[in-house]
Amino acid sequence: GNSVTQMEGPVTLSEEAFLTINCTYTATGYPSLFWYVQYPGEGLQLLLKATKADDKGSNKGFEATYRKETTSFHLEKGSVQVSDSAVYFCVFDTGRRALTFGSGTRLQVQP
Amino acid sequence: EAQVTQNPRYLITVTGKKLTVTCSQNMNHEYMSWYRQDPGLGLRQIYYSMNVEVTDKGDVPEGYKVSRKEKRNFPLILESPSPNQTSLYFCASMENTGELFFGEGSRLTVL
Repeated sequence: GNSVTQMEGPVTLSEEAFLTINCTYTATGYPSLFWYVQYPGEGLQLLLKATKADDKGSNKGFEATYRKETTSFHLEKGSVQVSDSAVYFCVFDTGRRALTFGSGTRLQVQP
Repeated sequence: EAQVTQNPRYLITVTGKKLTVTCSQNMNHEYMSWYRQDPGLGLRQIYYSMNVEVTDKGDVPEGYKVSRKEKRNFPLILESPSPNQTSLYFCASMENTGELFFGEGSRLTVL
């Protein structure tokens, strides 16, 4: 069946550190891939997406590249800020609108 | 302002007392869905709807019902709530691009 595996949190970093949150997926076909972010007390919101192999999604300094050969979509940011503290979810859609969510990775950035 | 509105935001109830969580979107989206968020499990889809009068089960539909009589509304019904339905619930609608728009969440406690 379809599944998403994210690295477990919490991830604790100092401000300006480099961030990587790993995400790998198992799915039939070629899904669209997303990263959503959930700030404290809020619903999820789209951070970035990629719809085909080798696409790179980017937003707010975050990037992720759709790697078909490794079925991965790792999230990276070169210099995190305290305001990036949130829970990050890797998500994929096989095109049938039945989305599969990862379990979420909590990021804590300390000043 | 484009938004998904859920009510109530917080609710404490007792086992067996029927309740409805409402969800409304003002973006004319065809697709809507319900999720529950539990610690360590990420988001799990309960039900989704591709359009008016078209609904389908997600990963964890047991104990829940939905209806889609109008495009903008997608209520979640718990006919006989039980303590294992204590959770944080999110409603979402989907744009044609595949981006989900989430409500702010409804925290339900069943005693």
